[in-house]
Amino acid sequence: DQQVKQNSPSLSVQEGRISILNCDYTNSMFDYFLWYKKYPAEGPTFLISISSIKDKNEDGRFTVFLNKSAKHLSLHIVPSQPGDSAVYFCAATGSARQLTFGSGTQLTVLP
Amino acid sequence: KAGVTQTPRYLIKTRGQQVTLSCSPISGHRSVSWYQQTPGQGLQFLFEYFSETQRNKGNFPGRFSGRQFSNSRSEMNVSTLELGDSALYLCASSLGPRETQYFGPGTRLLVL
Repeated sequence: DQQVKQNSPSLSVQEGRISILNCDYTNSMFDYFLWYKKYPAEGPTFLISISSIKDKNEDGRFTVFLNKSAKHLSLHIVPSQPGDSAVYFCAATGSARQLTFGSGTQLTVLP
Repeated sequence: KAGVTQTPRYLIKTRGQQVTLSCSPISGHRSVSWYQQTPGQGLQFLFEYFSETQRNKGNFPGRFSGRQFSNSRSEMNVSTLELGDSALYLCASSLGPRETQYFGPGTRLLVL
């Protein structure tokens, strides 16, 4: 039972354009959501997070949007850069405190 | 501030052996969590330690165990290794439970 789903295994965008990565969840007890970026042979790097009391959080080129009624969140990267090419994981947590991860989306930013 | 460190980075073992992996959290972080990453199952939670106590455990067999020391450093142990235990084992630390987790580079375990 996948509680956090990233339905797009891959995404390609042109440098300078917007990258939109999507994530859906099923567990209504999740109240804190995070995005991590991962390069091969490295651990995930924390990017940005959002609490369920908010619907938007921005940090530089990264913005996360949360739609609680749809149980959907998205990560926007503007403008996209070639160095952003990596696997992006969505993660969620609730009172249990452990992170539940999605399966990841491979983002490729084309020069 | 130094990040999360994990040792060793790479390990090759044979079936039936046991292995111990080590994790040093970011200075000041008292919570340590362990995750397993495999191509088939993705990133899965193993267990979480805070103040030397296991606070939460994922759905893994009893062959997987861990502990945390008074300096917050943590070890995980896998006994009677199976081929399916081949994975990247990731450690993450946070200031406390429910705080943002920061990951180490992982230990790549190959079981032959």
